[in-house]
Order: sequence, then C-alpha cells, then structure tokens
Amino acid sequence: AQSVSQHNHHVILSEAASLELGCNYSYGGTVNLFWYVQYPGQHLQLLLKYFSGDPLVKGIKGFEAEFIKSKFSFNLRKPSVQWSDTAEYFCAVSKGRGFQKLVFGTGTRLLVSP
Amino acid sequence: DTAVSQTPKYLVTQMGNDKSIKCEQNLGHDTMYWYKQDSKKFLKIMFSYNNKELIINETVPNRFSPKSPDKAHLNLHINSLELGDSAVYFCASSPGQTHGYTFGSGTRLTVV
Repeated sequence: AQSVSQHNHHVILSEAASLELGCNYSYGGTVNLFWYVQYPGQHLQLLLKYFSGDPLVKGIKGFEAEFIKSKFSFNLRKPSVQWSDTAEYFCAVSKGRGFQKLVFGTGTRLLVSP
Repeated sequence: DTAVSQTPKYLVTQMGNDKSIKCEQNLGHDTMYWYKQDSKKFLKIMFSYNNKELIINETVPNRFSPKSPDKAHLNLHINSLELGDSAVYFCASSPGQTHGYTFGSGTRLTVV
C-alpha cells in the first residue's frame, strides 16, 4: 500500500534558523508530490507541488522542496524561518495521472520561537 | 468569495443522532473529496466524486453516505453518530491530479 512518512513529528526552532522537514513515500511509479501547511485552527493550504520537470520546486512564503527520485524523498526547506511559520506541515502524494487519492503523511508540528 | 465552503463550521450532537455536512465549491473543479482529520491531525480520505460520480470509497462505515447533487456540491450525511466520529471533516476540490486540492475550512464534529 502506498504510504507517506514524515519522520519529524515535532520540530522546535528559533527565528532565523534553517528548516528541513523530511518526507519519504513508498510508491515506485509516477507520483505527484505536495506540501501543505495548516496554521492553528485553519484549513490546509498548498505550499508547493511537484509533478514533473525541475526537481527543485519553489513555493509560497519562501519554501522550497527537492524531489529526489532515487531516495523516494520530497523534503521541504526554508533558509530562515519566522515566528509566523508556526504550523503543522503535511507532505502528500498521489500516483499517476488518473483519479487517484491524495495520501497524507502524519504531519510535522513546527514551533518557531521568537 | 470562498472557494470551498463548508457548513456548519462546528457541530455538537448526541450519540445516535443523524447529521449532515454540506460542501460547495465555486472553482469549477470536476472532483470533490471528503477527508477526516482525527485528534492526532492525521488526514484520511473518505470519499471522492468526479462529475457527480463516486470514484473513491475508502473503508468507511455504511453510516456515512456522501451525496453529490451536482459537480459543485458534495454533502456528507452521517447516521447513528458514535463517539469515534468526533473529528474535523474537510471537504476539498481539485481540477486534476497535478493541481493539488483546495480545502474548505473544515467542520469540527463533536459527538457527546
């Protein structure tokens, strides 16, 4: 079964620190990869996505992610976090191009201290 | 101009009751979804409809029944509510696999 792993469940950083959140998936075929952010009490918002082309994708709010096919990974990065980045971050994967469900990782809770 | 709107935002009800959650999207997307987010924030798909047709039906109790009167609406009806149904339910829509989903603001269901 397709699965998505986020190994960091809780991350605590100080403002201006660099961030990298891990995401690994188990499906070996064509995949579509996403990172979503959920601010406290709010709905999920799309940060960035990858489905083909340049494996380094840039998203909103200064986030980027790199697709490494050989490692089945799609890690999220930000060079300098802000207090407002405190949120839950979800990696998600769907396979192929047809009607396939989006499978989410268990999420990483990021707390940025001022 | 909410893209995906869900009502109600909060729902508190007693065990055994029947309740419905409504979802509407004004994005013109063909596909709509229901996800359940449990207390540990884990998101799991429940159903998906494409142009009013059911295309994904995960292992969900029969007490949950989705209905899509048209491609802009996907409602969720829950019969005989149980304590374990307490969660946040998110509706989402998508124009296609490579575009990601647009989520609604969620419905927090509490069964007491």
